[in-house]
Amino acid sequence: AQKITQTQPGMFVQEKEAVTLDCTYDTSDQSYGLFWYKQPSSGEMIFLIYQGSYDEQNATEGRYSLNFQKARKSANLVISASQLGDSAMYFCAMREPTDTNAGGTSYGKLTFGQGTILTVHP
Amino acid sequence: NAGVMQNPRHLVRRRGQEARLRCSPMKGHSHVYWYRQLPEEGLKFMVYLQKENIIDESGMPKERFSAEFPKEGPSILRIQQVVRGDSAAYFCASSPLPETGAGKNIQYFGAGTRLSVL
Repeated sequence: AQKITQTQPGMFVQEKEAVTLDCTYDTSDQSYGLFWYKQPSSGEMIFLIYQGSYDEQNATEGRYSLNFQKARKSANLVISASQLGDSAMYFCAMREPTDTNAGGTSYGKLTFGQGTILTVHP
Repeated sequence: NAGVMQNPRHLVRRRGQEARLRCSPMKGHSHVYWYRQLPEEGLKFMVYLQKENIIDESGMPKERFSAEFPKEGPSILRIQQVVRGDSAAYFCASSPLPETGAGKNIQYFGAGTRLSVL
């Protein structure tokens, strides 16, 4: 089963308008973290915003905000006032525990969704 | 304050050769993570290391792949006897703190190494 689902392969938005990129996740853990990263055509991965499972308020970072609905297990990214430079691939990711060879628990693994390509039109 | 540095940016190898990918974490970061991205896909976790320790290698293929993060120097991802299916972008990330469930510990990524196997 998919742990992270991004149902929109591609999205289009007019410059200066807002856009919402969808992300749903699946976990039975109470303690987890949710991330959004941007990957422009140049290929690097740029951290945008983070939401912890115990955070009561939705995260915001400049023009980025995260619409966190815990009961629905969704963590949608909202980009306000879109700019041409926002055109890129956007990935949602979740930090989840894994069992280590030593018998402990590690939280080092991020599981990524398939991504959404955002195109901003002038 | 330099970010995560990966080199080389592009690497071409013939089948059967070895590939060595290097990653220098951000200053002050002692936790390193390696991910692989196949074309048109998201990133897949491979391994999580601290200095001189492998913490989680649950995503590493059982054969031909190894990773290290020595006390001095960069982290190295090594692929022996490469095959065409190893062609991918390999990303390294680093963070300053041990990973916890809901704690705000961000993994910052390098620009990646694009490996092409001929």
